Amino acid sequence: GQSLEQPSEVTAVEGAIVQINCTYQTSGFYGLSWYQQHDGGAPTFLSYNALDGLEETGRFSSFLSRSDSYGYLLLQELQMKDSASYFCAVRADPMNSGGYQKVTFGTGTKLQVIP
Amino acid sequence: DAGVIQSPRHEVTEMGQEVTLRCKPISGHDYLFWYRQTMMRGLELLIYFNNNVPIDDSGMPEDRFSAKMPNASFSTLKIQPSEPRDSAVYFCASSSGQGKDTQYFGPGTRLTVL
Repeated sequence: GQSLEQPSEVTAVEGAIVQINCTYQTSGFYGLSWYQQHDGGAPTFLSYNALDGLEETGRFSSFLSRSDSYGYLLLQELQMKDSASYFCAVRADPMNSGGYQKVTFGTGTKLQVIP
Repeated sequence: DAGVIQSPRHEVTEMGQEVTLRCKPISGHDYLFWYRQTMMRGLELLIYFNNNVPIDDSGMPEDRFSAKMPNASFSTLKIQPSEPRDSAVYFCASSSGQGKDTQYFGPGTRLTVL
């Protein structure tokens, strides 16, 4: 089966840098996505890594190591509005069917940014 | 595009009643997903469709749950009969299935079963 692990809660100070880790177990791995969800809102897409390395999008960066089955989301220059839940999601074809790669979400990390 | 549209946004019903949730995906997206989110279980994939055909319904909890997609612009998730443990936020999402395969989520339907 598939499994993902990420911390349940993280607290960081405004202006600082925070890293949210995600480890996964799956076969037929294609890529790792990150989504942000504010309280009462819907998940919104942040980034996707299919290859090893770092992807940067403004203040947010995402990293993937396929050999370690590990990734992280890095948030820099934290702002109060970054307080939200962050989900990693694995895209995989565990049955190697050659068809659509199913996306499985982790349980989410609740980030609290404090002044 | 208006994004994924869901209705109703809130639904309060009594145990035993039938509940129908509705979703309009983004035009041109070939994949549609139904998720359920609770504090205890997180974000769970219930079922997904490709070109209006159900592909994987392994996440549907029980026979009380059913989903249909009669055409490319409309899908329903029905619960009959509803139970208090069905109380959750139900999200519909759609994607093109290409490239980064970003899933675009609707605003969700908050269901409360009394």
